Amino acid sequence: QAVVTQEPSLTVSPGGTVTLTCGSSSGAVTSGHWPYWFQQKPGQAPRALIYDTFNKHSWTPARFSGSLLGGKAALTLSGAQSEDEADYYCLLFSSGVRVFGGGTRLTVL
Amino acid sequence: QVQLQESGPGLVQPSQTLSLTCTVSGGSISSGSYYWNWIRQPLGKGLEWIGRIYTNGRAGYNPSLKSRVTISLDTSKNQFSLKLDSVTATDTAIYYCARESQGYYWGQGTLVTVPS
Repeated sequence: QAVVTQEPSLTVSPGGTVTLTCGSSSGAVTSGHWPYWFQQKPGQAPRALIYDTFNKHSWTPARFSGSLLGGKAALTLSGAQSEDEADYYCLLFSSGVRVFGGGTRLTVL
Repeated sequence: QVQLQESGPGLVQPSQTLSLTCTVSGGSISSGSYYWNWIRQPLGKGLEWIGRIYTNGRAGYNPSLKSRVTISLDTSKNQFSLKLDSVTATDTAIYYCARESQGYYWGQGTLVTVPS
């Protein structure tokens, strides 16, 4: 089973831009991994932001975007706001199963 | 809009079987091309994918849990369920159900505690 890796923590300034990445121990992440990105705030269930690499849910703020970057899945936040402070998880499809990354704690400071 | 709600015992004794149900509203569990998932999260820790079942009843599981897990559909009740055998304290977590297909829709989660 592949290990999915994310940055443990990142900090972004209000109004700034930050990119979170999601890598796989099995090699480059492609669209065939059907990457998902989730946001989780304290005490809440996760909610999906991005599915299948770059598609957005109806509730996903426009400042979030998904892509593939340097062999990884990427979530870019442009114009960070205080309410974006949260844990972010990616989810990949690999060898017939789904695998979560360890999560990135994003601080807006 | 689809809604999912987990239910089941909040306390399970060691070595027993954890059984949870996810009730789906706002859509039929047997129509469409959906995967019905179970995920868990130990308190203060990350998410762990447990497994999923497709609309046709075909299931896939996390290899680390596969020997203890069964996910099934009950189309008559519009529910799907999770059974996890031989639980220990390490199975204590918030358990979530979710629908996957062109998006991911989560239940609110339910805390299950296995005392040590």
